[in-house]
Amino acid sequence: GESVGLHLPTLSVQEGDNSIINCAYSNSASDYFIWYKQESGKGPQFIIDIRSNMDKRQGQRVTVLLNKTVKHLSLQIAATQPGDSAVYFCAETDSGNTPLVFGKGTRLSVIA
Amino acid sequence: KAGVTQTPRYLIKTRGQQVTLSCSPISGHRSVSWYQQTPGQGLQFLFEYFSETQRNKGNFPGRFSGRQFSNSRSEMNVSTLELGDSALYLCASSPLAGEKYFGPGTRLTVT
Repeated sequence: GESVGLHLPTLSVQEGDNSIINCAYSNSASDYFIWYKQESGKGPQFIIDIRSNMDKRQGQRVTVLLNKTVKHLSLQIAATQPGDSAVYFCAETDSGNTPLVFGKGTRLSVIA
Repeated sequence: KAGVTQTPRYLIKTRGQQVTLSCSPISGHRSVSWYQQTPGQGLQFLFEYFSETQRNKGNFPGRFSGRQFSNSRSEMNVSTLELGDSALYLCASSPLAGEKYFGPGTRLTVT
């Protein structure tokens, strides 16, 4: 079946640098995408979402880019901090009433 | 507003036993979803309830079941536990559809 996947399982960045986490999706019907952050011992925490009628959305220090042509999603974190160290998941759904499908996750490690 | 709460947080069971996990959604949220998280398979959808009705079901055997009560609280049950059922079980609530808020999870260990 179709699923969401991630390009890189681990990413290490220096504190203060920008981080880019990528995600590929295969369901062309998906129209809503979410990035989650999961810290050790906790459940996934919502970071930012984007609908398919947009190609970019910005939050506080985070930006999500959506390229529907190549079915690619990315999360950019500006000025990465130690507190950003976590596993990041992208998730997709179509029309919002179908279950969220999650990618495998990327572990972000911030080097102080 | 209080977040999603899950009880118990940790559980150890033996093969063949059954287990019931509980989830209390955010006040006002009527949709509750359950996910199983394992290192090998990641986050996999179990089922979703909305207003006491199962709206979606994932590809899990019939040993996995759930229900939702009139106050939106939800329970999931796993019967005849297998070693492979060891996982973090996550509950998420949402007002209608879309953005979901996750609880801390219940860590189930089957020995």
